[in-house]
Amino acid sequence: DQQVKQNSPSLSVQEGRISILNCDYTNSMFDYFLWYKKYPAEGPTFLISISSIKDKNEDGRFTVFLNKSAKHLSLHIVPSQPGDSAVYFCAASVRVGTYKYIFGTGTRLKVLA
Amino acid sequence: NAGVMQNPRHLVRRRGQEARLRCSPMKGHSHVYWYRQLPEEGLKFMVYLQKENIIDESGMPKERFSAEFPKEGPSILRIQQVVRGDSAAYFCASSPQTGPSGEQYFGPGTRLTVT
Repeated sequence: DQQVKQNSPSLSVQEGRISILNCDYTNSMFDYFLWYKKYPAEGPTFLISISSIKDKNEDGRFTVFLNKSAKHLSLHIVPSQPGDSAVYFCAASVRVGTYKYIFGTGTRLKVLA
Repeated sequence: NAGVMQNPRHLVRRRGQEARLRCSPMKGHSHVYWYRQLPEEGLKFMVYLQKENIIDESGMPKERFSAEFPKEGPSILRIQQVVRGDSAAYFCASSPQTGPSGEQYFGPGTRLTVT
């Protein structure tokens, strides 16, 4: 049962344009949503997060939007740069006794120079 | 401040052997998480530990897998009698606290190959 879904396994975007990565979830009890970026042969690194009580959080070129009614969040990167090419994981946290973090399957972003 | 360290980075084991994966959390972090990433899949939670305690092992297979985080030394994920299906990347993450927005710091992973 995949509670956090990233339905696009890959995405290609031209340098300078906007990248939009999508994530859907099924559990309305999720408290927080996080995005991680992963380069090959490295562990994921935290990028940006959003509380379930907010609908937008911005950090530089990265903005995360949350639509609770649709159980959907998206990560916008603008302008996209070649160094943004990586796998992006969406994650959600839920308290089941302790806090548990559930990851999506990832979207591979390729920014073309 | 050194990041999360994992060793070995690559581990090859024959079917039936034991695999031991080590994780040293960031300094000051007392919460350790282990995840497994199978090919073409996302990160799957396995176990959450604090010093000398297993807090949540709901994601860990009931047999052959065990984890510990002793008072001194790294956290160890142990897989006994490995099978081909155990081939995956195993990531360790640490955090200074737990909570809904608990940002986790990941190590580079150990890639286990079972031949």
